[in-house]
Amino acid sequence: DAGVTQSPTHLIKTRGQHVTLRCSPISGHKSVSWYQQVLGQGPQFIFQYYEKEERGRGNFPDRFSARQFPNYSSELNVNALLLGDSALYLCATSSGIPTDTQYFGPGTRLTVL
Amino acid sequence: QKEVEQNSGPLSVPEGAIASLNCTYSDRGSQSFFWYRQYSGKSPELIMSIYSNGDKEDGRFTAQLNKASQYVSLLIRDSQPSDSATYLCAVNSDTGGFKTIFGAGTRLFVKA
Repeated sequence: DAGVTQSPTHLIKTRGQHVTLRCSPISGHKSVSWYQQVLGQGPQFIFQYYEKEERGRGNFPDRFSARQFPNYSSELNVNALLLGDSALYLCATSSGIPTDTQYFGPGTRLTVL
Repeated sequence: QKEVEQNSGPLSVPEGAIASLNCTYSDRGSQSFFWYRQYSGKSPELIMSIYSNGDKEDGRFTAQLNKASQYVSLLIRDSQPSDSATYLCAVNSDTGGFKTIFGAGTRLFVKA
């Protein structure tokens, strides 16, 4: 079975631009979570979506938004990029049960210049 | 107080020794607990999940959970150089909306 996939792998943007990151879940997984990881820190929770509904949100500004599609894939959008948004963006998927294990994709490395 | 705390390390152990990694969490409503391993430049990969008090063993790895003390640990027996990585503790909670909180990770070095 294919694992979690993310696209693109790497991305370079300039301040003020907008970015869209994509995630496809493991087959059968209905929940997608997004994380931001900066160097030297653990992943920071941004959103979790389950059955196309937002189930949880971390402490991120409104510039960050996400959505989940009927096929359970997901997009993370970040508007008005700041230098501090440079990070590894990770997607993790699970069956949707709150206690269930999440499996991570390879991540998207975003650099904001 | 951070929601999930880990000693950042680095923790250095000789090959064949036991490595002990610790994690404390603040939300008593936390329901499930995970240990992930992350190699430099890669995404986290699951090692263990644990949901109830006590020990859970899987090969060379043992996870221990004590909800009363809000404490989770991971023991790695017969440590190998390939175990050298950052180990992340993660806690799921449904209090005030679902969230998964990660610790900052403990860097482990296994010396050959």
